[in-house]
Amino acid sequence: QQQVKQSPQSLIVQKGGISIINCAYENTAFDYFPWYQQFPGKGPALLIAIRPDVSEKKEGRFTISFNKSAKQFSLHIMDSQPGDSATYFCAASIDQAGTALIFGKGTTLSVSS
Amino acid sequence: EAQVTQNPRYLITVTGKKLTVTCSQNMNHEYMSWYRQDPGLGLRQIYYSMNVEVTDKGDVPEGYKVSRKEKRNFPLILESPSPNQTSLYFCASSLTGGTSTDTQYFGPGTRLTVL
Repeated sequence: QQQVKQSPQSLIVQKGGISIINCAYENTAFDYFPWYQQFPGKGPALLIAIRPDVSEKKEGRFTISFNKSAKQFSLHIMDSQPGDSATYFCAASIDQAGTALIFGKGTTLSVSS
Repeated sequence: EAQVTQNPRYLITVTGKKLTVTCSQNMNHEYMSWYRQDPGLGLRQIYYSMNVEVTDKGDVPEGYKVSRKEKRNFPLILESPSPNQTSLYFCASSLTGGTSTDTQYFGPGTRLTVL
């Protein structure tokens, strides 16, 4: 049972364009939604995260949009750069100690120069 | 430097030959976890540990064992590896788990091939 559905599986964006990755979740108890970025040959690293008490969070060129009623959240990368080329994972968890992060299947982003 | 280390980074073995992948963290984290990453399947949790001598199954525990005898170490044991365990394995640690006040730190990964 996949609790976090991520799309698209792969994405090609021109340099300077906007990259959008979408995730949907099923468990309404989830209340913490991080995004992890993984470069080839490296482990994932936390990029940005949101809790459902806000509808949007922005950090530099990266923005999470959150729609609680639709149980969806998305990552927007503005002015995408070749250095953003990586695999992105959305995740969800119940915000309490000891709970696991449930990851989406990942999106491989390629930004062409 | 705060980090999670894994060894070995690459391993080719044969079916049935017991192996151990080590994981160590230097951040005094209580929560440690093992994931496997497969193309098209993302990251799936194998086992996790809330603290010393406390371990529990994740989503895909079959064929794996873990132990947590010391806070900093969390080895992954494959008693009788099979080809379907060929994968990229990540160890991760954090203070408390998947909470908003915490961050999971991942190791560099171990690429395992079972022939």
